Amino acid sequence: SQKIEQNSEALNIQEGKTATLTCNYTNYSPAYLQWYRQDPGRGPVFLLLIRENEKEKRKERLKVTFDTTLKQSLFHITASQPADSATYLCALYGGSYKLIFGSGTRLLVRP
Amino acid sequence: EAEVAQSPRYKITEKSQAVAFWCDPISGHATLYWYRQILGQGPELLVQFQDESVVDDSQLPKDRFSAERLKGVDSTLKIQPAELGDSAMYLCASSPTGTGTYNEQFFGPGTRLTVL
Repeated sequence: SQKIEQNSEALNIQEGKTATLTCNYTNYSPAYLQWYRQDPGRGPVFLLLIRENEKEKRKERLKVTFDTTLKQSLFHITASQPADSATYLCALYGGSYKLIFGSGTRLLVRP
Repeated sequence: EAEVAQSPRYKITEKSQAVAFWCDPISGHATLYWYRQILGQGPELLVQFQDESVVDDSQLPKDRFSAERLKGVDSTLKIQPAELGDSAMYLCASSPTGTGTYNEQFFGPGTRLTVL
């Protein structure tokens, strides 16, 4: 069956450290993968899109990698801040241009 | 900055009642999406519109849910009758380009539905 897996346990890190979140998928062959941020009680906010022929994409303190062989994307936040605390959702296109979301990983950055 | 508007933000209803949610996408956005998000899970697509036409409603429980976007602008999602299992966040999103593209989606704040 098709699955998108993100760590359901919260990631708890110290301010200033690099946060690394994982997104694994099975039985998909996405050409594109996106990452969104969601704060409690709010809608998701788009962060980054990466194409299958891109190994890495950066935006300010954010970096995303996409390994189609491992069927995995990693999302990094460098020099993390308490304001980065949120749930981060991985999403990919599962066919028919329909965006399929993972269940998200909650990030907690301690001051 | 343009935003997707949704109302109401919160709705409490009793089972078997009818509820309706409204969404106004960012001006000029041709594609509109309705998602349902259960607590602790990611959003799940219910229906996608391209202008006023339904592109995908394969996950919409059509026996009780309906959606329309009559003039290709704002949209309404209705549930009748509501069931306990419908309690969730209902999210509307829009995208500037049409079906067949991979652009970002802009989400509204959502409507939190509680069915008692």
